[in-house]
Amino acid sequence: GAVVSQHPSRVICKSGTSVKIECRSLDFQATTMFWYRQFPKQSLMLMATSNEGSKATYEQGVEKDKFLINHASLTLSTLTVTSAHPEDSSFYICSVAGGQGNQPQHFGDGTRLSIL
Amino acid sequence: KQEVTQIPAALSVPEGENLVLNCSFTDSAIYNLQWFRQDPGKGLTSLLLIQSSQREQTSGRLNASLDKSSGRSTLYIAASQPGDSATYLCADTTDSWGKFQFGAGTQVVVTP
Repeated sequence: GAVVSQHPSRVICKSGTSVKIECRSLDFQATTMFWYRQFPKQSLMLMATSNEGSKATYEQGVEKDKFLINHASLTLSTLTVTSAHPEDSSFYICSVAGGQGNQPQHFGDGTRLSIL
Repeated sequence: KQEVTQIPAALSVPEGENLVLNCSFTDSAIYNLQWFRQDPGKGLTSLLLIQSSQREQTSGRLNASLDKSSGRSTLYIAASQPGDSATYLCADTTDSWGKFQFGAGTQVVVTP
């Protein structure tokens, strides 16, 4: 069964809307989750590391005020794309590390975000 | 910065042939390397995880090797089937918490 649940799977909305994406760890408590972004025919690019109970760590070039991450519990991390614009349209995927790097990393099914 | 490269970018084979997918990385100080499968519009499914101390991992028709000294990993899929058609991604991490660097993937088509 699924280890990671990501919701919603698809969002279509108007420019200027804020969109929240949820990532839930179903099988175990996750102190660390990761958020990736994938453009068409490109690989995944890490956006940020979500840490339970503390601030997320953002990769270089990722606007923390644009992509708000909240990891308030050991099973839930949320990514909010604030005031989304067409260039934010992408495939967003979360993942959960299974432990201290020696376990497989499990991914959600992704969220296809389309901003009109 | 770690760079991960996958060659070829695309591959088409007839059913029954063995598949060989290559992944190279620039920093040999990896913690582990993982192979994933991605179907169109879907998330990633983990196939095999190789720890830095291991040379290979096997699961069914899949075998992945790791050669840190040459910065390479190879995924072998034996007796390919049309259901194996997907994009295969390799990713490695140089830290213990699983912050991965991904290759661009190899798109595989297995024709009946």
